[in-house]
Amino acid sequence: DQQVKQNSPSLSVQEGRISILNCDYTNSMFDYFLWYKKYPAEGPTFLISISSIKDKNEDGRFTVFLNKSAKHLSLHIVPSQPGDSAVYFCAASSNAGGTSYGKLTFGQGTILTVHP
Amino acid sequence: GAVVSQHPSRVICKSGTSVKIECRSLDFQATTMFWYRQFPKQSLMLMATSNEGSKATYEQGVEKDKFLINHASLTLSTLTVTSAHPEDSSFYICSASPSGLAGSDTQYFGPGTRLTVL
Repeated sequence: DQQVKQNSPSLSVQEGRISILNCDYTNSMFDYFLWYKKYPAEGPTFLISISSIKDKNEDGRFTVFLNKSAKHLSLHIVPSQPGDSAVYFCAASSNAGGTSYGKLTFGQGTILTVHP
Repeated sequence: GAVVSQHPSRVICKSGTSVKIECRSLDFQATTMFWYRQFPKQSLMLMATSNEGSKATYEQGVEKDKFLINHASLTLSTLTVTSAHPEDSSFYICSASPSGLAGSDTQYFGPGTRLTVL
């Protein structure tokens, strides 16, 4: 049961353009969402997060949008740079009663390639 | 930023042997550490939550007798894959949350350990 889904396994973008990575979830108990960047043979690096009480969070070139009614979130990177090429994972967590705080459920990842 | 290390980074072992993987938080104390497993081109799957001084909490479908977790100090958690078989070959990643700052965005990930069982 894949509770967090990234339906696009890969995305190719030209340098300077916008990259939009999408993520869908099914568990309505999720209340915190994160994006991680991962290079091969390395652990994920935290990029940006958003709480379910917000619909947008921005940090430099990275913006995350959350549509709770659609159970959908997206990561926008603008302008995209070749150094952004990596695998991007979205993840979700739930603080349901404090028992699952910190547990992350990851999507399958999207390989982003930014061409010079 | 906070640093989490894993050792070894890569290990090859024979079927039937046991392998221990260490996860250390280098510059912070971690009450809680998490162990993940990633198959090629797949998502990171949470295996267990490791709590310092208490038993680990395993996710459904993860054999606790096969994947032994010990969180003996606030800076070290170990995962031992017992009687390893080829299907245990995978990329194992740990993460750690600084004590007193429990929260998803303060999970720091280690670089991972590539286990290959022959």
